[in-house]
Amino acid sequence: DAKTTQPPSMDCAEGRAANLPCNHSTISGNEYVYWYRQIHSQGPQYIIHGLKNNETNEMASLIITEDRKSSTLILPHATLRDTAVYYCIVRVPKAAGNKLTFGGGTRVLVKP
Amino acid sequence: GAGVSQTPSNKVTEKGKYVELRCDPISGHTALYWYRQSLGQGPEFLIYFQGTGAADDSGLPNDRFFAVRPEGSVSTLKIQRTERGDSAVYLCATARGSGRQDTQYFGPGTRLTVL
Repeated sequence: DAKTTQPPSMDCAEGRAANLPCNHSTISGNEYVYWYRQIHSQGPQYIIHGLKNNETNEMASLIITEDRKSSTLILPHATLRDTAVYYCIVRVPKAAGNKLTFGGGTRVLVKP
Repeated sequence: GAGVSQTPSNKVTEKGKYVELRCDPISGHTALYWYRQSLGQGPEFLIYFQGTGAADDSGLPNDRFFAVRPEGSVSTLKIQRTERGDSAVYLCATARGSGRQDTQYFGPGTRLTVL
């Protein structure tokens, strides 16, 4: 079973920051948080991952709370091409080669 | 560089037929995963290879499903006696290894439709 909870959908305005929350209250100390997104009719696309510290790359920033029970993915300047389903995943070690267990995700609609 | 490729992109078959779905990994990636995605849901794990061997096939729904990776590179997912419930998008993902920080990269998927 997925170990994360995400809102089913959210809208955001083009050019504004999009903040996507994720709860993972049962996360263990050695489990990473991964974010993927899936644009319509494409395979999931890796965005970012982290363990304890905040992370940033060219796509997004990942903010993890100090107790690690929740995190937020930040898309700094949303564009129409960011419209997708965003999945927050806690990766369980030693489970089938660290397989990814997807939940329902958040359907993000970026509006002009 | 080249990403994960999957062929065919679409496959339509009749109930009871046999199908093969192919995955070409990113060069050098030793770990390979198959997932299945039904309409409106997130992908679900099927099977995982480390090298040539199937290290975990706990996600395969029944014995009609089988996958191979004979040379540790290309993998084929095989479905016998297809049923309408097998209709889904079949996704392949590969990674450098199977560690916690080994990012999985997905292919575009094969959309299977069983009539």
